[in-house]
Formats: sequence, structure tokens, C-alpha cells
Amino acid sequence: EVQLVESGGGLVRPGGSLRLSCAASGFTFSSFGMSWVRQAPGKGLEWVSTISGSDDRTDYADSVKGRFSISRDNSKNTLFLQLNSLRAEDTAIYYCAKGDCGGHCYLNDYWGQGTLVTVSS
Amino acid sequence: DIQMTQSPSTLSAAVGDRVTITCRASQSISSQLAWFQQRPGKAPRLLISRASNLQSGVPSRFSGSGSGTEFTLTINSLQPDDSATYYCQQYNSYSRTFGQGTKVEIK
Repeated sequence: EVQLVESGGGLVRPGGSLRLSCAASGFTFSSFGMSWVRQAPGKGLEWVSTISGSDDRTDYADSVKGRFSISRDNSKNTLFLQLNSLRAEDTAIYYCAKGDCGGHCYLNDYWGQGTLVTVSS
Repeated sequence: DIQMTQSPSTLSAAVGDRVTITCRASQSISSQLAWFQQRPGKAPRLLISRASNLQSGVPSRFSGSGSGTEFTLTINSLQPDDSATYYCQQYNSYSRTFGQGTKVEIK
């Protein structure tokens, strides 16, 4: 059974940083692309970033480019998202999601339960 | 960026009803369209990929159709468990945009 468990969320001041983690199990982690998708309180879903399973190629939404950084540790089956220069509009639940392919996936078939990031002074 | 527009935003139907949700793309996305279900306080669940491909374990009362710019999600014989918000997502382009969601309520 695929399991994705996010951690690392919390309250941070504007301009601050946070590092999110996602522990994966139930599948061969290194063989799949992985993504982060976020959801502001009471709002819809927004894709944030994707990393390939095959070559560590990365993609970012324009709204986070230059501030967020996605990475993975295949030896620990863990996905990361480094959030820098945080803004109030980054407040959201951040979901870790498994890609449906080994390369640079555009579709995610399994999602974690999410971790809440609140940016406020 | 490709914009995705869902309608209606909210619908209320009785158990046993047939429900249809529409998703329109601002430009052609071929069949690169997925539908997700999100129950309150839960993670999104992939129901349908490639516009009409039902995921394993998803009840057969769910079906999807369409291609190009217009797509539909149909729930035949609505059940209490189907109370949720449904999102479409295009995965044809870099932006991987979602629709704004359709909240389905049970009367």
C-alpha cells in the first residue's frame, strides 16, 4: 500500500524559511517522479513543484520559482521541499504526491494527508 | 497558462440521482484530463485519468468523458459517500492547472 507522510509544517514569519519532508513507502520510491501540491485554506489546488524519478529534473510553478527548492533522498525514500522567503500567500496545506511515471510526471496518483504551513507575523 | 473552468460550483442532489460536472479548458489538452475527489479534511483521491480511465478501486458509478476542451464527470446513482468536492486537472502542459472545484452535497 502506498503511503506518503508529510512533516515539517508550522508557523513561520514572513521572510522566514521552512523545510518540509515526505516519507514514502509501499512502492519503489526511486522509480517515480514526485510532486508537491498546495491548497490555501478554503481554496482550490495549486501545483507547486515536481522532481523526476530518473534524472532529478525539477519544475516549479511561477509563484514559487526562485524561492522554493525540491529535492529527494532515494536512500531514505524521502522527498523534501525547502521554502525560503515565505509570504503570507504561501499559507496552505502542502501535499506530497506520487507521480504516475518514472520520469517527469505531470499526473499524481497518490497523495499524502498534507502538512500545514502558516506564514504570519 | 491553460485555464480550467468547472461548472457548477456547487450542486445539491438526492441519493440515487445522476450527477454531471463539466470542465472546460481554455485550449485543447487532448485527453490529458484527470478528476479528483476530495472529502472534507482529506487528501485528494485520483478517480479518473486520461479523461475516461477509471482508477483501480473506484466505484463503477463514476465515469468520465470528453476530449479537446470539454470534459464531463458523471456519477450514476449518487451515494451519501460521494459528498465531496471534485476537481478536474489538466496535465497536458507545464502549468498542470486545476479547476476551481465543484462541491457536491446530498439533499
